[in-house]
Amino acid sequence: NAGVTQTPKFQVLKTGQSMTLQCAQDMNHEYMSWYRQDPGMGLRLIHYSVGAGITDQGEVPNGYNVSRSTTEDFPLRLLSAAPSQTSVYFCASSYTGGATNEKLFFGSGTQLSVL
Amino acid sequence: QKEVEQDPGPLSVPEGAIVSLNCTYSNSAFQYFMWYRQYSRKGPELLMYTYSSGNKEDGRFTAQVDKSSKYISLFIRDSQPSDSATYLCAMGSARQLTFGSGTQLTVLP
Repeated sequence: NAGVTQTPKFQVLKTGQSMTLQCAQDMNHEYMSWYRQDPGMGLRLIHYSVGAGITDQGEVPNGYNVSRSTTEDFPLRLLSAAPSQTSVYFCASSYTGGATNEKLFFGSGTQLSVL
Repeated sequence: QKEVEQDPGPLSVPEGAIVSLNCTYSNSAFQYFMWYRQYSRKGPELLMYTYSSGNKEDGRFTAQVDKSSKYISLFIRDSQPSDSATYLCAMGSARQLTFGSGTQLTVLP
């Protein structure tokens, strides 16, 4: 059972470039989310989805787009990369409904550097 | 002021010590309280999860929640070198979690 799979593991971009971070889960979770982790800041929610076709903004959505066309996949798009987006990005998923929604399963992360 | 404040560490203890990790919060709406453990270059994994005030024990780990003081703790008994990791508190309501910034723990053999 693969769980939550993120690709790539590492990426270097130049300012202004665009890219997509991939996330896939095989646990049939309805809820999926993207976090960024910065030193001293903890994990901050970027976007989340409660099911295919439904997405919403988190705490720090600016500069990122998401879509959810299938239950399994939840890609994160950087439209025009900026140095402030240098971070480690984590995708997470969970079962939906009630308290169990908060038990998140995380991927292993993508370390992104924007020069 | 952040909604969740966590002791920054880093914390270094000898093997076998009792470790206490703590977080405070300001949002009274938080209903769920969790501790995640994150090894270097890995994603966080859920360690402990509780709804209510009081203690919850799981092996060498005890999670404590005091809603009246808005304070949560994680105790690790008989700490092992394999416990060396960053510990993140998390709390939330509805569908969103707020994480603490994490405490880096090193258990020395």
